[in-house]
Amino acid sequence: DQQVKQNSPSLSVQEGRISILNCDYTNSMFDYFLWYKKYPAEGPTFLISISSIKDKNEDGRFTVFLNKSAKHLSLHIVPSQPGDSAVYFCAASVFTGTASKLTFGTGTRLQVTL
Amino acid sequence: GAVVSQHPSRVICKSGTSVKIECRSLDFQATTMFWYRQFPKQSLMLMATSNEGSKATYEQGVEKDKFLINHASLTLSTLTVTSAHPEDSSFYICSAHDRAKDTQYFGPGTRLTVL
Repeated sequence: DQQVKQNSPSLSVQEGRISILNCDYTNSMFDYFLWYKKYPAEGPTFLISISSIKDKNEDGRFTVFLNKSAKHLSLHIVPSQPGDSAVYFCAASVFTGTASKLTFGTGTRLQVTL
Repeated sequence: GAVVSQHPSRVICKSGTSVKIECRSLDFQATTMFWYRQFPKQSLMLMATSNEGSKATYEQGVEKDKFLINHASLTLSTLTVTSAHPEDSSFYICSAHDRAKDTQYFGPGTRLTVL
């Protein structure tokens, strides 16, 4: 039962253009959503997050949008740069009482071409 | 940002042996750490939640007797894969929860190959 889904396994975008990565979830108990960037054989690095009470959060070139009614979030990267090429995971969080437990999507491989 | 280390980064072992992986939070105390595994081209799957001073909480389908977790101090959690088999070959990643910032920081991962 995949509670967090990233339906696009890969995405190719030209340098300078906008990259849009999508994520859907099913569990309405998730209260926080995060995006991570991951290179092969490395741990994920945190990019940006959004609370379930907001619909947008922006940090430099990265913006995350949340549509709670549709249980959908997206990550926008603009302008895209070759160094953005990596696998992007969205994750949804639920607080367990001591810490937030993360459920990850399957990832989208972004390739930014010159 | 905060740093979480894992050791070893890569290990190759024979089938039937046990392998211990360490996860350390280097500049903060973590009462809670998480262990994940990732198969090629798949998502990170949470295996267990490691709580300092108490028993780990395992996710459904994860054998607690096979994947032993010890969280003896506020900066160290260990995962021991007992009697490893080739199907245990995977990328194991830990994360440590910084309670002050309510943020998880991930380690660099450990690539386990069981021959």
